[in-house]
Amino acid sequence: RKEVEQDPGPFNVPEGATVAFNCTYSNSASQSFFWYRQDCRKEPKLLMSVYSSGNEDGRFTAQLNRASQYISLLIRDSKLSDSATYLCVVREGGATNKLIFGTGTLLAVQP
Amino acid sequence: GAVVSQHPSWVICKSGTSVKIECRSLDFQATTMFWYRQFPKQSLMLMATSNEGSKATYEQGVEKDKFLINHASLTLSTLTVTSAHPEDSSFYICSEGQAYTEAFFGQGTRLTVV
Repeated sequence: RKEVEQDPGPFNVPEGATVAFNCTYSNSASQSFFWYRQDCRKEPKLLMSVYSSGNEDGRFTAQLNRASQYISLLIRDSKLSDSATYLCVVREGGATNKLIFGTGTLLAVQP
Repeated sequence: GAVVSQHPSWVICKSGTSVKIECRSLDFQATTMFWYRQFPKQSLMLMATSNEGSKATYEQGVEKDKFLINHASLTLSTLTVTSAHPEDSSFYICSEGQAYTEAFFGQGTRLTVV
C-alpha cells in the first residue's frame, strides 16, 4: 500500500464546476498535512495546510479526518487557472521530518 | 517567508559527465535540506536528507556514491550527479522546512543526459 494515495486522474471539468479530491495516508503518526499545487515543469507550491477543524481559503476548502486517515480538497467555481496537478502531502514529523507525496491528481478545467 | 534558490534551472550534459546542482536558502539558515527526484507523470520521490556538517541520509535504493550531497554551510546544499546516464534524466528539486510547517522548494533542475 502506498503511504499517500490519491484519486486517479485526470479530472476534466467545465469552468464553474465544483471538484473534490480525496487522499488517504497510511502512517497514523503523521504530523502535518498539506495540499500543494504543481504546474507543468515547475516546483510544487503550497495551496493550503490542512487542519483537523477544517479550513477554507476562498474557493478552496480542506478537511482532515485523523481517525479515517483521510484528507480532502474541494474547489468551488473552478477557473481555467486552476488547471494543475494537486498533490496531497503528509509530513511524518519526529526524527525524520520527511514529506511524503501522493502521486498527484491532474485537473483540467475546460472553457 | 523563506526563499530557496536552486541552480541551474535546466542542464543538458553528455553521458558520463557529472552535474552539480546547488540549493541555497536565502532567508534563513537551513540545517536540513531534502533532495527529491521526479520522473514524468510521477510524484516527487525523496532521494536523501542533507544535514549541515554531517553525512547525508539516503533513501533506500538511492546510490550515495552516484548522488553526492554536500551541505557544508547552513545556507548551501549541493547535489552532484556523477557519471550521469540517460536514465538519470529527471527533474531534481530541493526543499527545506521545519517540523509542522510547509516546505519551501527550490525552482527545480531539469536534467537531460544525452
